[in-house]
Amino acid sequence: GAVVSQHPSWVICKSGTSVKIECRSLDFQATTMFWYRQFPKQSLMLMATSNEGSKATYEQGVEKDKFLINHASLTLSTLTVTSAHPEDSSFYICSVYPFAGPNYGYTFGSGTRLTVV
Amino acid sequence: GQQLNQSPQSMFIQEGEDVSMNCTSSSIFNTWLWYKQDPGEGPVLLIALYKAGELTSNGRLTAQFGITRKDSFLNISASIPSDVGIYFCAGQLRGGGADGLTFGKGTHLIIQP
Repeated sequence: GAVVSQHPSWVICKSGTSVKIECRSLDFQATTMFWYRQFPKQSLMLMATSNEGSKATYEQGVEKDKFLINHASLTLSTLTVTSAHPEDSSFYICSVYPFAGPNYGYTFGSGTRLTVV
Repeated sequence: GQQLNQSPQSMFIQEGEDVSMNCTSSSIFNTWLWYKQDPGEGPVLLIALYKAGELTSNGRLTAQFGITRKDSFLNISASIPSDVGIYFCAGQLRGGGADGLTFGKGTHLIIQP
């Protein structure tokens, strides 16, 4: 299956600053990547679909100006949390969908724990 | 939006017991998937189901895609300590990787010694 690398694994930032999270597909060219957010003891919620070479598609209720997504290449998508506030503290996870291989399905990165202080 | 109702919310079992959990939805999904998530990690795919009625096994795990395409179950046989974790069902509406996943709320599996 696909290997997805996410960086950093954790980050602490001050309120009002911006944080960039990278998601790399190491062995698979992904025209589409997905970003999820998971609050403590809750499920994963889809935030946006990242499309290579075009604008991301955001889910209802997700502020596109706050969560900037850039998918400049087939192996890299970035999520920038702008003007972060404590309520943005969460676990952010990206995923890709490899189209080949046995029992294939969405493969997830290891996640980024964001803490805004 | 779509919602997946996953139950039970948590399970306390003895090592060696079998486990069963399920998900239901008011919407039809074209793909059902089951994931396991350990603390601080991303979800890991256990089983993917692509056809209504499909029954698929992965070692001690067995999952089925309901005939109505609105439900799925996951069974774990002869549980072992490393099975501890949170299990999520997830559904995809259109299939083919075109859209993201809708997740259930998870089943927290706890194995008592």
